[in-house]
Amino acid sequence: DVKVTQSSRYLVKRTGEKVFLECVQDMDHENMFWYRQDPGLGLRLIYFSYDVKMKEKGDIPEGYSVSREKKERFSLILESASTNQTSMYLCASTQNTGELFFGEGSRLTVL
Amino acid sequence: AQSVTQLDSQVPVFEEAPVELRCNYSSSVSVYLFWYVQYPNQGLQLLLKYLSGSTLVESINGFEAEFNKSQTSFHLRKPSVHISDTAEYFCAVRRGGGNKLTFGTGTQLKVEL
Repeated sequence: DVKVTQSSRYLVKRTGEKVFLECVQDMDHENMFWYRQDPGLGLRLIYFSYDVKMKEKGDIPEGYSVSREKKERFSLILESASTNQTSMYLCASTQNTGELFFGEGSRLTVL
Repeated sequence: AQSVTQLDSQVPVFEEAPVELRCNYSSSVSVYLFWYVQYPNQGLQLLLKYLSGSTLVESINGFEAEFNKSQTSFHLRKPSVHISDTAEYFCAVRRGGGNKLTFGTGTQLKVEL
């Protein structure tokens, strides 16, 4: 059974803290994505990666960075968390079939 | 740039009634179309997809969607809903040749007894 695992389901951080969100997939997929989900706005693409050490900006990359040192792991980094980054973060992967496989999400609250 | 419009943010419906969730997209090139479902406190799961071939596609739990190129629509339908269908439904489009999906804003389906 395919699996995308996000390390933390719930996080609470303070403004200015550095935040790491980890995502691991066990399907040997080349492509991995980080989306942000907010009520009324749907899913918005933050960053994606189509190979190890390769990354591209999505629609809302400001305030975020990513790291892909290994094929199975894609990390989202908030260098200095702000309250407007309070959101649900979803990781996904695909092998060029068009179908995205999603993790269960990480709900981040920034105080 | 392509976009996806889900006009209905919430759709309340009684159990065993039919339902239609609307999705329109804008793109001048060939597209692949998807419907995803999100149950409470879970990630998104693929419900059905249109890649090519028959314009009517079906899911294993009774949903269907029809790709209408002239109307640029991909509406999701079910003839008789169940309480367990309560969830948020997202329409998404992928432009041919790429891997990025653009999602709509979602429709919350609430099935009532």
